[in-house]
Amino acid sequence: GAVVSQHPSRVICKSGTSVKIECRSLDFQATTMFWYRQFPKQSLMLMATSNEGSKATYEQGVEKDKFLINHASLTLSTLTVTSAHPEDSSFYICSAVWTGTNTQYFGPGTRLTVL
Amino acid sequence: AQSVSQHNHHVILSEAASLELGCNYSYGGTVNLFWYVQYPGQHLQLLLKYFSGDPLVKGIKGFEAEFIKSKFSFNLRKPSVQWSDTAEYFCAVIKSGNTPLVFGKGTRLSVIA
Repeated sequence: GAVVSQHPSRVICKSGTSVKIECRSLDFQATTMFWYRQFPKQSLMLMATSNEGSKATYEQGVEKDKFLINHASLTLSTLTVTSAHPEDSSFYICSAVWTGTNTQYFGPGTRLTVL
Repeated sequence: AQSVSQHNHHVILSEAASLELGCNYSYGGTVNLFWYVQYPGQHLQLLLKYFSGDPLVKGIKGFEAEFIKSKFSFNLRKPSVQWSDTAEYFCAVIKSGNTPLVFGKGTRLSVIA
């Protein structure tokens, strides 16, 4: 149990295009999901908190118009990187909180490369 | 603000050696504590967690951690490491509820034969 999937696992795109990343909790409901970035050999940096049915909460310094988050259901949150640029290249990881357990389970991550 | 400190950036051990990775946090209230592991090329996996009760927590793959409230510590231990334990280990803290994890910077463990 407690599996979180992300799609795609790897994406390469041209500068200026938008990329959508999906995060799904496969066998549990998650009212809350989190989106993180991980730079090489560094820890995870929280980008935003995604709550089902409401607007996401962004961390300081994260542009909400650039990183659009939609938490459409109790099992799905999406992150759209709009007008991507090379500096957006990173490893994006989501986690889902199993409702009622206080425990976060992580997706496998999405490697975004912007050319 | 909460912070999590992991004292060792990189630890190198021989197989069968004992392991202890340090983790200290700064938050003074009630906390939930976690250790996650990230094997090379893989995603984060939960090793163990502490919410309440017995401060000695046993996790998967022979790992355990001890919560010492007076020291604000949650050190990870394993009596005898294996080559397959080579990975990055992250300590993390949340206050409670649906709040985001605060991660330490991670400790890279390299186990050599």
